[in-house]
Amino acid sequence: QKEVEQNSGPLSVPEGAIASLNCTYSDRGSQSFFWYRQYSGKSPELIMFIYSNGDKEDGRFTAQLNKASQYVSLLIRDSQPSDSATYLCAVSPSYNTDKLIFGTGTRLQVFP
Amino acid sequence: KAGVTQTPRYLIKTRGQQVTLSCSPISGHRSVSWYQQTPGQGLQFLFEYFSETQRNKGNFPGRFSGRQFSNSRSEMNVSTLELGDSALYLCASSLEEAVEQFFGPGTRLTVL
Repeated sequence: QKEVEQNSGPLSVPEGAIASLNCTYSDRGSQSFFWYRQYSGKSPELIMFIYSNGDKEDGRFTAQLNKASQYVSLLIRDSQPSDSATYLCAVSPSYNTDKLIFGTGTRLQVFP
Repeated sequence: KAGVTQTPRYLIKTRGQQVTLSCSPISGHRSVSWYQQTPGQGLQFLFEYFSETQRNKGNFPGRFSGRQFSNSRSEMNVSTLELGDSALYLCASSLEEAVEQFFGPGTRLTVL
């Protein structure tokens, strides 16, 4: 079992819709969770982080964390073609809080 | 504040050669992590340095090594290059106590 799992996609949504990206992790003691966006040919860019159960909103982005289910998600409201990218979920494991374990990413395509 | 810089941006080497990549973190950041990114494996952690000491190491062979200097700049070295080492090598920096990592543009290494 991979430590951090994501559906590779592509996830295709129409412009203006809500895109929902999901991530599961295996280490129940993980405390820190991150979402990075990576455009093709570019490096990952941090867009959200969440530490507590529940929702955290930042503009059009909402991160949701459910530690009991070992599940973290990213919602993108009013999706735009410029949101088309690969979204990487990263988790800081309990056995080493100084490092990040990344999922393989979900490719999002927003079509006009 | 300037971001993370990496040099060179592109490298072409042949099997058996060695290569050194350089990373300058964001000013004030003392932790530098290195990752290898390939289409099949995603982002894989190589190692992390803090205050000139390797604090964490991923599951890579001993051909991969690194170091950090007193000004927090870091280098990674790969010896006896193999075709499978072709990848995007990313460096990320973070503050001492923060896990949020900020990535540089990467060095794309091609091994022929």
